[in-house]
Amino acid sequence: AQSVTQPDIHITVSEGASLELRCNYSYGATPYLFWYVQSPGQGLQLLLKYFSGDTLVQGIKGFEAEFKRSQSSFNLRKPSVHWSDAAEYFCAVGVSGGYQKVTFGTGTKLQVIP
Amino acid sequence: DAGVTQSPTHLIKTRGQHVTLRCSPISGHKSVSWYQQVLGQGPQFIFQYYEKEERGRGNFPDRFSARQFPNYSSELNVNALLLGDSALYLCASRLGQGTITEAFFGQGTRLTVV
Repeated sequence: AQSVTQPDIHITVSEGASLELRCNYSYGATPYLFWYVQSPGQGLQLLLKYFSGDTLVQGIKGFEAEFKRSQSSFNLRKPSVHWSDAAEYFCAVGVSGGYQKVTFGTGTKLQVIP
Repeated sequence: DAGVTQSPTHLIKTRGQHVTLRCSPISGHKSVSWYQQVLGQGPQFIFQYYEKEERGRGNFPDRFSARQFPNYSSELNVNALLLGDSALYLCASRLGQGTITEAFFGQGTRLTVV
């Protein structure tokens, strides 16, 4: 069965600073990988996804992520954080083929300070 | 176009009661998935329905059931509620069946069991 680990429960960064959120996955086959963002009281919004091809994927709101098969990682990055980026971020891995079971990590809560 | 809509937004129930949560997918989407998100955790997969048939089920007891209607809307039913069922219940709709299609999430139903 697949699993996702987000080692950082809470991260605080200054506005304008760079950001990297860590994600490690476990899955025997080629993974489908996702990053979602959840603002308080809101549902989940897809930031970006990796299915195949270029290992550096670009998403919305200036986010990018890099798939590293050798490290089983899919870290999320942003060069300059804005106060509106404060939210909870979830990494997820999807089962290929069959049905659509997506396994989420426990999330990383991002706080942005002025 | 309207996004994924869920009703009600908030609900308080007593232990032992039954609850029905509703989800309307984006127009044209035939696949609906349900997730449970306990406070401080990532969403956990409960069910996936496609073309009115159950296509996948997570590790949840038989107290949890769901169905999908001809118009592709869906209901999640939970019987004999326990305090531990208190969570945000998220519905996601997709155009197709496979994981490779993007999931769009509703804002969720916050269920509190007292």
